[in-house]
Amino acid sequence: KAGVTQTPRYLIKTRGQQVTLSCSPISGHRSVSWYQQTPGQGLQFLFEYFSETQRNKGNFPGRFSGRQFSNSRSEMNVSTLELGDSALYLCASSSLGGGQDTQYFGPGTRLTVL
Amino acid sequence: KNEVEQSPQNLTAQEGEFITINCSYSVGISALHWLQQHPGGGIVSLFMLSSGKKKHGRLIATINIQEKHSSLHITASHPRDSAVYICAVPETSGSRLTFGEGTQLTVNP
Repeated sequence: KAGVTQTPRYLIKTRGQQVTLSCSPISGHRSVSWYQQTPGQGLQFLFEYFSETQRNKGNFPGRFSGRQFSNSRSEMNVSTLELGDSALYLCASSSLGGGQDTQYFGPGTRLTVL
Repeated sequence: KNEVEQSPQNLTAQEGEFITINCSYSVGISALHWLQQHPGGGIVSLFMLSSGKKKHGRLIATINIQEKHSSLHITASHPRDSAVYICAVPETSGSRLTFGEGTQLTVNP
């Protein structure tokens, strides 16, 4: 079974731009969760999608949004980028979702905002 | 909100030593996760446990639900075990994970 894939792996943007990151889960997994990792804040939960519905959302501003398609692939979008958005963005997929099931992580997208 | 604390933050060991990393949380949970993150960022799920003990190779994870405490042990540590180890617990809604700050483990040959 192929693992979780994320594209792109690296991205450089400037302040004010927007960015879209993609995550393809393991085949058969219906849950995709997104996380942000920074040196200062560590790993933080962004949101979780399950069967195309957002099931839970973390404490991030509305500039951070996401969606999930019928094939369970998920995208997250960050609009009006700020310097503080520079981070490693990880997605993870699982069968049942969230904290109740083993999560399989993708390699991450490293976003740099200049 | 569940508060998750890990100790120690940094740990340096010699190859072959027995390693223990601790994780405490403030609110009762249904399961706890141990994750491993290597340089470069990739995260691997090591264990998800809700009671007792689990073992995988040289790794052992235990949890005490009453004490709200979990430990990750590494027996016969090896330089390839060098990584950041992170514990995570779900919020009461069950969906979102709260993470500890991580323990940076360095095993010297």
